[in-house]
Amino acid sequence: EVLLVQSGGGLVQPGGSLRLSCSASGFTFSTYPMHWVRQAPGKGLEYVSGISRNGGSTYYADSVKARFTISRDNSKNTLYLQMSGLRIEDAAVYYCVKTLAGYSYDAFDYWGQGALVTVSS
Amino acid sequence: ETVLTQSPGTLSLSPGERATLSCRASQSVSSNYLAWYQQKPGQIPRLLIYSTSSRATAIPDRFSGSGSGTDFTLTISRLEPEDVAVYYCQQYGSSPLTFGGGTKVEIK
Repeated sequence: EVLLVQSGGGLVQPGGSLRLSCSASGFTFSTYPMHWVRQAPGKGLEYVSGISRNGGSTYYADSVKARFTISRDNSKNTLYLQMSGLRIEDAAVYYCVKTLAGYSYDAFDYWGQGALVTVSS
Repeated sequence: ETVLTQSPGTLSLSPGERATLSCRASQSVSSNYLAWYQQKPGQIPRLLIYSTSSRATAIPDRFSGSGSGTDFTLTISRLEPEDVAVYYCQQYGSSPLTFGGGTKVEIK
């Protein structure tokens, strides 16, 4: 069974930093590009960032470029999102997602449970 | 960036009726790489359709997708009460990947 278990959400002040983690199991993690998608309260889905199988290529939405860093540790089957310079508008539930067929640009067939990030002073 | 516009914003139908949801792209979606997701209240999104018309694992055949280029459609052939949800389209043919704003499906 594919599982994506997230951790690391919480309350942070504007300008602060936070790291999200996503522990994967039930599939060969190192063979799948992974991504992050977020959803602000009561709003729609927004693409955030993605990473290739070996971490050599990364992708970012313009809204988070230069502030967020995606990475992965294939030896630990874990995906990360380091967020810095957080803004009020970054407040959202962040989802870790697995690609369907192993392509960098792909549909997302499994979603983590979500991690709530609150940005407030 | 490919902007996806979904319509209508809300769809209110009776059980058994046919639901037609539209997703229009600002430019042609490469290889028709378009997916649909269902998000029920309080739940995480679930993949319904990928590559415009392929159903994901365990998705009932009352859900179908069609379209090409810039115009795509998700059809629910016979609406059931459990289909109450917000439906999102997503294109993955070009970077950055983008989502539509969603269509909310309600039961009358």
